[in-house]
Amino acid sequence: GQNIDQPTEMTATEGAIVQINCTYQTSGFNGLFWYQQHAGEAPTFLSYNVLDGLEEKGRFSSFLSRSKGYSYLLLKELQMKDSASYLCAVLDSNYQLIWGAGTKLIIKP
Amino acid sequence: TAGITQAPTSQILAAGRSMTLRCTQDMRHNAMYWYRQDLGLGLRLIHYSNTAGTTGKGEVPDGYSVSRANTDDFPLTLASAVPSQTSVYFCASSDLSGVREQFFGPGTRLTVL
Repeated sequence: GQNIDQPTEMTATEGAIVQINCTYQTSGFNGLFWYQQHAGEAPTFLSYNVLDGLEEKGRFSSFLSRSKGYSYLLLKELQMKDSASYLCAVLDSNYQLIWGAGTKLIIKP
Repeated sequence: TAGITQAPTSQILAAGRSMTLRCTQDMRHNAMYWYRQDLGLGLRLIHYSNTAGTTGKGEVPDGYSVSRANTDDFPLTLASAVPSQTSVYFCASSDLSGVREQFFGPGTRLTVL
């Protein structure tokens, strides 16, 4: 079966750095996505990785290792508005997105 | 641009009743999707459509039907609602080339009693 694992919840301090991990086992791989979802709102796109390595976009970076079935999302200089759920999703061989359950990130002042 | 709109925003429905959730996009995306999101679970694909006139089943299609008469609209119908269909429903759309990023509507919160 297809499976994506990420921690259920993480807590971090405002101004700090946090790394959210995601491991996956899917039928094929055509890219990995990270989405942000604030409570009561729709998911919004953060990043996309299809090749190994680090993609940086402002305070957010995403890393991929295809051989290890592993990705992480790195958030720097945390702000209170970063409190949200972060969803990892993999595009499988049929180009369907397989979603993790999401990591709820709590930012404390 | 509006992107993707969904209606209604929320609804309380008696078990056994039928309902259609509406979804419209103005981005001219080929593909559209319906997901349900339940607490502690990831987004689960109900049905999808890669182009107008075609539809496919996702992970949890039972109890739901869709149609895709044109590019912009992708309604989801519950023929006879059951309490287990209480959920938040998201419609999404994407291109079928490039990154294939999915854009989401604001969601419909459905409660079946």
